[in-house]
Amino acid sequence: GESVGLHLPTLSVQEGDNSIINCAYSNSASDYFIWYKQESGKGPQFIIDIRSNMDKRQGQRVTVLLNKTVKHLSLQIAATQPGDSAVYFCAESLTGTASKLTFGTGTRLQVTL
Amino acid sequence: DAGVTQSPTHLIKTRGQQVTLRCSPKSGHDTVSWYQQALGQGPQFIFQYYEEEERQRGNFPDRFSGHQFPNYSSELNVNALLLGDSALYLCASSLKAGGPLFFGPGTRLTVL
Repeated sequence: GESVGLHLPTLSVQEGDNSIINCAYSNSASDYFIWYKQESGKGPQFIIDIRSNMDKRQGQRVTVLLNKTVKHLSLQIAATQPGDSAVYFCAESLTGTASKLTFGTGTRLQVTL
Repeated sequence: DAGVTQSPTHLIKTRGQQVTLRCSPKSGHDTVSWYQQALGQGPQFIFQYYEEEERQRGNFPDRFSGHQFPNYSSELNVNALLLGDSALYLCASSLKAGGPLFFGPGTRLTVL
């Protein structure tokens, strides 16, 4: 399949452990943020989103934290599984919607058995 | 329910040529956005089409143009190809311009 990223920062996590993927976003005026997962040969897949009036949002096994003071976003994955291995991107928007997203450079998550 | 489909999956062109990439949105979606993803980088927004018109555009030259058809499918055209245009071109669809994006698998364009 397609190689999504050859020289990305890599996070290696043991199966069953929790993963934390960090992202520094660029624009203090951004008001909507999304985490995407991209597996080899596939397009980005929506994981979770958060608006700027929130600082935490939880989904199934995932939590997104937003710190607007330092323009930082993190994605926490609980009980990481081999199927979580992928490249993860944060994306930001100035429109409050998924229109015209600006993506970060991505982090490769490797889950070891 | 078919998701976003794109064609072709791979394409090889030479510098100076023109290329057309195609996208069919997810069933029920009316808005199509195009992104360029260079190797090792995140996707970059090219433009968005809604009601057959370009609604938003990223920082791409006029060599990049598009079209949306009445059935909501879309084309991305790139003229006078440069080596730097080699990338994975992603199509994403949504219901109305601000809805959640669903991405297709992309078209890998290689310019020699």
